[in-house]
Amino acid sequence: NAGVMQNPRHLVRRRGQEARLRCSPMKGHSHVYWYRQLPEEGLKFMVYLQKENIIDESGMPKERFSAEFPKEGPSILRIQQVVRGDSAAYFCASSTSGFYNEQFFGPGTRLTVL
Amino acid sequence: ELKVEQNPLFLSMQEGKNYTIYCNYSTTSDRLYWYRQDPGKSLESLFVLLSNGAVKQEGRLMASLDTKARLSTLHITAAVHDLSATYFCAVDHSGGSNYKLTFGKGTLLTVNP
Repeated sequence: NAGVMQNPRHLVRRRGQEARLRCSPMKGHSHVYWYRQLPEEGLKFMVYLQKENIIDESGMPKERFSAEFPKEGPSILRIQQVVRGDSAAYFCASSTSGFYNEQFFGPGTRLTVL
Repeated sequence: ELKVEQNPLFLSMQEGKNYTIYCNYSTTSDRLYWYRQDPGKSLESLFVLLSNGAVKQEGRLMASLDTKARLSTLHITAAVHDLSATYFCAVDHSGGSNYKLTFGKGTLLTVNP
């Protein structure tokens, strides 16, 4: 049973470009979470999605960041007009349900903004 | 705002020695998690602690939870090189948003021969 998949594993973008990070949850999981880890910090919650629904995006920056989890295909975290401060590791996790269910993490995408 | 503090952040120890990593959190929570992360890899779940006084052991690692003190410990017994990794504790938010995990900064453990 494959775990949570994320791609790309490493992404380099220049300031002003767009970054698209993809996450395929574990088989049978319909709940996806995105976390961001800035250098020297712990992971911070960004957004929680179910299929076609954003449940909680309280951790998302108000501008330039968006997330989706379509009926078919992976969840996507999209960062428009990237800035150097967006450089971080972005982790996706999935679970079978949103409450009291263990989250399984992907390997992360390391985003570097030049 | 829920805050989670781990210490130490860096730990270098010799094989065969014992040590403890501490995790303090600031407000009531329903669950506490310990994760291990190897460089460039996923976070691997080690323990989920649910109630006051909970103790779980797996191999050379033992985790405990004191909800009154809002403190969890991860104890390493007779460390071996394979335990070298970064260890995170995480706490969920009680109530309706308990899917939201707040992480400590992590403890980078290096076990030297």
